[in-house]
Amino acid sequence: KNQVEQSPQSLIILEGKNCTLQCNYTVSPFSNLRWYKQDTGRGPVSLTIMTFSENTKSNGRYTATLDADTKQSSLHITASQLSDSASYICVVRQQGGSQGNLIFGKGTKLSVKP
Amino acid sequence: SQTIHQWPATLVQPVGSPLSLECTVEGTSNPNLYWYRQAAGRGLQLLFYSVGIGQISSEVPQNLSASRPQDRQFILSSKKLLLSDSGFYLCAWSVRRGSTDTQYFGPGTRLTVL
Repeated sequence: KNQVEQSPQSLIILEGKNCTLQCNYTVSPFSNLRWYKQDTGRGPVSLTIMTFSENTKSNGRYTATLDADTKQSSLHITASQLSDSASYICVVRQQGGSQGNLIFGKGTKLSVKP
Repeated sequence: SQTIHQWPATLVQPVGSPLSLECTVEGTSNPNLYWYRQAAGRGLQLLFYSVGIGQISSEVPQNLSASRPQDRQFILSSKKLLLSDSGFYLCAWSVRRGSTDTQYFGPGTRLTVL
C-alpha cells in the first residue's frame, strides 16, 4: 500500500533553534517528493521538490534531503523563527497514473516559542 | 501573476442542507483543478480533479459532486450534507510541466456541519 508517514506528529522548539522533520514513504514507483508548509487556516505552500536523482535541496533556511534507497526524506529548519510555526506536509507523487497519484502525509505541527 | 480564490471562507450548515463552494483561478489558462478535504488530524484527501471544462474525475465515492462550468471555475456541491462532511476544503490548481507540476492551493473554506 502506498503510504507516507511523518514524524514527529508535533514538535515544540525555542526560537533560534534548529529542527529536523522526518518523512518515510512506501510509494512505488516513485516520481518526486515535495514538502509543503501550511499555516493554520491557510492553504499549503510548496517549499521544495526533489526527484529521484536529487538528494538535497535548499530554500532559504529550509533544507530537504532525500534518500531514494531507504525511501526517507527530512526537512531541516535552521535558526527557527516564530513565523516557522506551521504544519509541514510531505507529499510523494507516484509515477504514471492519473492526476490523483499524490500521496499526502498527515503533517508535522511545529510550534516555535519565544 | 496567478491567484486562486475560494469562498466562503467559513460556513456553518445544518445536516441535510445543500452545499456550494466556489473556486476561481486568475492569470492562467487551461489549469488542472483539484478539490481536497482536510479533516482534523488527517492528511489532505483528494476529492475531485478536472483537466478541462466539463471533465471531472472523482477519487472518493461520497455524497459530494463537482462541476467545472468554465475554464477557471470549479464548484463543489452537495444536495444533503452529512456530519462527516465537516472539514477544511481546499481548492488547488496546477499546470503540468513534465512530472514536477506544482499545485497551488487556495485559502480554503472551513465547513462545519451541525
